[in-house]
Amino acid sequence: GDSVTQMEGPVTLSEEAFLTINCTYTATGYPSLFWYVQYPGEGLQLLLKATKADDKGSNKGFEATYRKETTSFHLEKGSVQVSDSAVYFCAPLSGSARQLTFGSGTQLTVLP
Amino acid sequence: NAGVTQTPKFRVLKTGQSMTLLCAQDMNHEYMYWYRQDPGMGLRLIHYSVGEGTTAKGEVPDGYNVSRLKKQNFLLGLESAAPSQTSVYFCASASAGHDPSGANVLTFGAGSRLTVL
Repeated sequence: GDSVTQMEGPVTLSEEAFLTINCTYTATGYPSLFWYVQYPGEGLQLLLKATKADDKGSNKGFEATYRKETTSFHLEKGSVQVSDSAVYFCAPLSGSARQLTFGSGTQLTVLP
Repeated sequence: NAGVTQTPKFRVLKTGQSMTLLCAQDMNHEYMYWYRQDPGMGLRLIHYSVGEGTTAKGEVPDGYNVSRLKKQNFLLGLESAAPSQTSVYFCASASAGHDPSGANVLTFGAGSRLTVL
């Protein structure tokens, strides 16, 4: 089955620092790739997605590029804010029932 | 507001007790899912359904049963709760229709925190 290896956390950054969270995956076929974010005490929200090789998903200053050759989908943001503190999940989506396989999540804390 | 609603939000059980978590969606989605979230392990798929009257096992189905009698509802049951089932449970739903972006997005509920003593 599909699997995801995500950068271990927790990650602590100062405000305006550059963020990278690494994600690599193994999947059957040609999955769509997602990053979900979970703010404290809440459910998961879609952050961004990409559906084919070299696609770049972006939202709220976050970006990730679908790299088929390295099976990676690293999340980046040029300048993080305190409000970005959350847990971030990488997830390929595949299968006829559109199942998501989640990484273990990366806890990000941004200090003022 | 349209979305996925889970009830209850919190529950404490004793070992051996039974309970049912309810998930309701008002987006007319065909697909529904139950995940559990445990520290350091991300979310793992318990069961899912691709339509009314159908269910299938996910990665960690043991100790759980599900039913999808109505399209908008997906129930997760624990017949005899165990401390290992202490977790946060998330329901999600998705459309089976074609998405122009090529990727149907799962919409998640806010979660149900279950503690088994």
